[in-house]
Amino acid sequence: AQTVTQSQPEMSVQEAETVTLSCTYDTSENNYYLFWYKQPPSRQMILVIRQEAYKQQNATENRFSVNFQKAAKSFSLKISDSQLGDTAMYFCAFMKKSTSGTYKYIFGTGTRLKVLA
Amino acid sequence: DGGITQSPKYLFRKEGQNVTLSCEQNLNHDAMYWYRQDPGQGLRLIYYSQIVNDFQKGDIAEGYSVSREKKESFPLTVTSAQKNPTAFYLCASSMTPRGAYSNQPQHFGDGTRLSIL
Repeated sequence: AQTVTQSQPEMSVQEAETVTLSCTYDTSENNYYLFWYKQPPSRQMILVIRQEAYKQQNATENRFSVNFQKAAKSFSLKISDSQLGDTAMYFCAFMKKSTSGTYKYIFGTGTRLKVLA
Repeated sequence: DGGITQSPKYLFRKEGQNVTLSCEQNLNHDAMYWYRQDPGQGLRLIYYSQIVNDFQKGDIAEGYSVSREKKESFPLTVTSAQKNPTAFYLCASSMTPRGAYSNQPQHFGDGTRLSIL
C-alpha cells in the first residue's frame, strides 16, 4: 500500500528566512505524481507545486521549490523568503493510476507552519 | 469563474438522521472525490468517482453513500450508521490524466463542517 509520511507536525520560521518541510512516501510504482498543497486558516486547499516522478529536474514556483529524490522516495518543500501569508497547514500528496484505471490521491498528515514576524 | 461549490458551509446532524452534503463543479472535470479531515489525521478518502454513474469506495467508506448521476454533481450522504460524523468534509475534482505523463492536480471546494447536535 502507498503511504505518505510527514514527520514534522509543526514548524516555525522567521519572516524572510528559509524553511524546508519534509515528505517521504512508499511505493513500488515507477510512474506517479507528487504535490504540495497549502491549507490556510480559511481551510481552502491550494495547490503549491507539483512534480512528475519521471522528471529529474526539481520543480520550482517562485519562492517554492522541491527537492525530489526518487531513489530515497523523498519530496521536500523549500519555502524561501518566508512571508506571513505562508502560515498554513501543508500537505504532501501522491497520485497514481491503479490497475483498474482509476486515479487516487494519498495525503500525508500535514505540517503546520507558522511564520513569525 | 469555474470552481467547486460545497454547501452548506456548516451542518448539524441529529442522532439517527441522514444528512447530505452537496458538491457541484463547473470545471468539466471527470473525476470527483470526497475526503474527511480530522485533526492530526490529514485527508482520508471516503469515495471517489471517475465517470458518471460509477464510483468506488475509498479508505473510510463505511457509514457514507454517494451518487454520480451528473458529471457536475457528487453528493455525499452521511448516514446514521456513521457513529462519529463530526469532521470537516472536503470535495475535490480533477481532470482524468490523458496519456502516461499527464499531471492533473485536484481542485478543492471550501469544505463543509459537520457537527452532531
